[in-house]
Amino acid sequence: DQQVKQNSPSLSVQEGRISILNCDYTNSMFDYFLWYKKYPAEGPTFLISISSIKDKNEDGRFTVFLNKSAKHLSLHIVPSQPGDSAVYFCAASGSRDDKIIFGKGTRLHILP
Amino acid sequence: ETGVTQSPTHLIKTRGQQVTLRCSSQSGHNTVSWYQQALGQGPQFIFQYYREEENGRGNFPPRFSGLQFPNYSSELNVNALELDDSALYLCASRPNPGQSYEQYFGPGTRLTVT
Repeated sequence: DQQVKQNSPSLSVQEGRISILNCDYTNSMFDYFLWYKKYPAEGPTFLISISSIKDKNEDGRFTVFLNKSAKHLSLHIVPSQPGDSAVYFCAASGSRDDKIIFGKGTRLHILP
Repeated sequence: ETGVTQSPTHLIKTRGQQVTLRCSSQSGHNTVSWYQQALGQGPQFIFQYYREEENGRGNFPPRFSGLQFPNYSSELNVNALELDDSALYLCASRPNPGQSYEQYFGPGTRLTVT
């Protein structure tokens, strides 16, 4: 029973274009959502988060959008850069629970 | 300020054996979580320790156990290893429980069970 789903295992985007990574969740008790980035041989690194009381959060080139009615969030990276090539994990947690539930990840390739 | 470190980097064990993995939290962090990341999967929450006591657990059997020490370093112990225990084990520390975005991961220990 996967509560956080990333249905695209991989994504290739031209350098300079927009990268859009998608994530769906099933548990309506989730009220905090996070994106992590992972390079090979390193642990995941926190990228950006959003609370369920918001529908958008922006940090530089990274923007996360949350659609609660659709139980869907997306991460936009614009413009995409070569250093953005990594695995991106969507994750979620509930305010009464420290447990963080991760999706399977999407491998992003930025093409020159 | 040192980050989260884990040892060993890689480990090979035989089915039925026991293993201990170690984690040194980031300075000032009193909460540590352990995750298992199987191949092609996202990290799965095993348990969390806060001030030397377990205060949250995922769907893992009791043969997965942990310790947190007064200096906030921690251990993950797995008894009676099974082939499916082969995975990357990640620990993550944070300043306090909650504030889940402030979680800092170590590079992980790659465990192979043969």
